[in-house]
Amino acid sequence: GENVEQHPSTLSVQEGDSAVIKCTYSDSASNYFPWYKQELGKRPQLIIDIRSNVGEKKDQRIAVTLNKTAKHFSLHITETQPEDSAVYFCAAEPTGGYNKLIFGAGTRLAVHP
Amino acid sequence: GAVVSQHPSWVICKSGTSVKIECRSLDFQATTMFWYRQFPKQSLMLMATSNEGSKATYEQGVEKDKFLINHASLTLSTLTVTSAHPEDSSFYICSAMAVRSSYEQFFGPGTRLTVL
Repeated sequence: GENVEQHPSTLSVQEGDSAVIKCTYSDSASNYFPWYKQELGKRPQLIIDIRSNVGEKKDQRIAVTLNKTAKHFSLHITETQPEDSAVYFCAAEPTGGYNKLIFGAGTRLAVHP
Repeated sequence: GAVVSQHPSWVICKSGTSVKIECRSLDFQATTMFWYRQFPKQSLMLMATSNEGSKATYEQGVEKDKFLINHASLTLSTLTVTSAHPEDSSFYICSAMAVRSSYEQFFGPGTRLTVL
């Protein structure tokens, strides 16, 4: 089955710096890769996603890149702000139907003022 | 729009009892709902996929007789933890996928289960 690995597990940056989180997946047929943000005590929320027919997608300060050949995708946050502090999860949709997602272990991002 | 609720938000029960958790999509119809388990500071572990009107599909290692899932309508799925034991204590969170063409899963706020 699908396996998603995520690195790093924790990331600490200064406000204004960039943050990069990387994920790899095992199912080469996977074609949907979302990123979720979970603030402390709150539910996960989708922040950006990418499909396999696209190599990069950007939404203001957030971007995601996908390398299907290498089976990895990354989240890039520029000009980080303290409110970006949260746990970020990557996920991949494996083949087999039902649109289920397999999540990575998560990255705890801390942005220091 | 796309709000998902869960009830109860927390529950404490005695070992051996059963607990039912509800997941509702409040403003959209969900053909598919998912149940996850999340341990403190850990990831979302998919337990099962719940499709309206059919049997749930369980992930490997998840006991279907232990975690009963029912998806009786397009807005409600329930997870029943049967004969609960302390090791079942966890944060259970559901998500729902809209009928419209979209891959996005909308998550509920979660239910904290503590088994004494």
